[in-house]
Amino acid sequence: DIQMTQSPSSLSASVGDRVTITCQASQAISDYLNWYQQKPGKAPKLLIYDASSLASGVPSRFSGSGSGTDFTFTISSLQPEDIATYYCQQYDNLFLTFGGGTKVEIE
Amino acid sequence: QVQLVESGGGVVQPGRSLRLSCAASGFTFSTYGMHWVRQAPGKGLEWVAVILYDGSNKFYADSVKGRFTISRDNSENTLYLQMNSLRAEDTAVYYCAKGAVRGIIANYFDYWGQGTLVTVSS
Repeated sequence: DIQMTQSPSSLSASVGDRVTITCQASQAISDYLNWYQQKPGKAPKLLIYDASSLASGVPSRFSGSGSGTDFTFTISSLQPEDIATYYCQQYDNLFLTFGGGTKVEIE
Repeated sequence: QVQLVESGGGVVQPGRSLRLSCAASGFTFSTYGMHWVRQAPGKGLEWVAVILYDGSNKFYADSVKGRFTISRDNSENTLYLQMNSLRAEDTAVYYCAKGAVRGIIANYFDYWGQGTLVTVSS
């Protein structure tokens, strides 16, 4: 299976800060990489698909980039409602795998 | 609007069985692959299984292969997960999720259900 290594596992930032999360795949996955947001007690929500495409209705402060093995997820200006855990997910092969998650908190 | 509603969770003893259901509405169920994803308490997301739109292909995570069976009834717009020989480590919230791209297996998830909790404990 393809392993997804996400970092950091948690971070604390101020409102308005730029926040960056990275995800590294154990082998090249082209751009088959997605990002989800999960708030406590809720189901995950798709934010970014195919590494850099913004899902419908998602604010433009969220973005993604990368290809191959190294990917980045960015919140350009952190808002209070962005407090959540973020997961990357690869779909290069049939056995889908997620990163371990990054918990984002407000300082 | 797309809705996915899971049911069937509960408390079950180790070694016993449980069947989860996911009722789908708001889209053409018979043209999309469907997945189960689980999340143990306080842990991350783990993909469990996928079934192709017509039920012709199914794939499982190694952790559940041989014990869980995914199936679907396209006439009833319902997805199932039959879970046998349950273990304590199967304790999790189980989500059904819709594949975003019609007709393929490997995919991302554009809609999720609210989840149903399965607790395996004696």
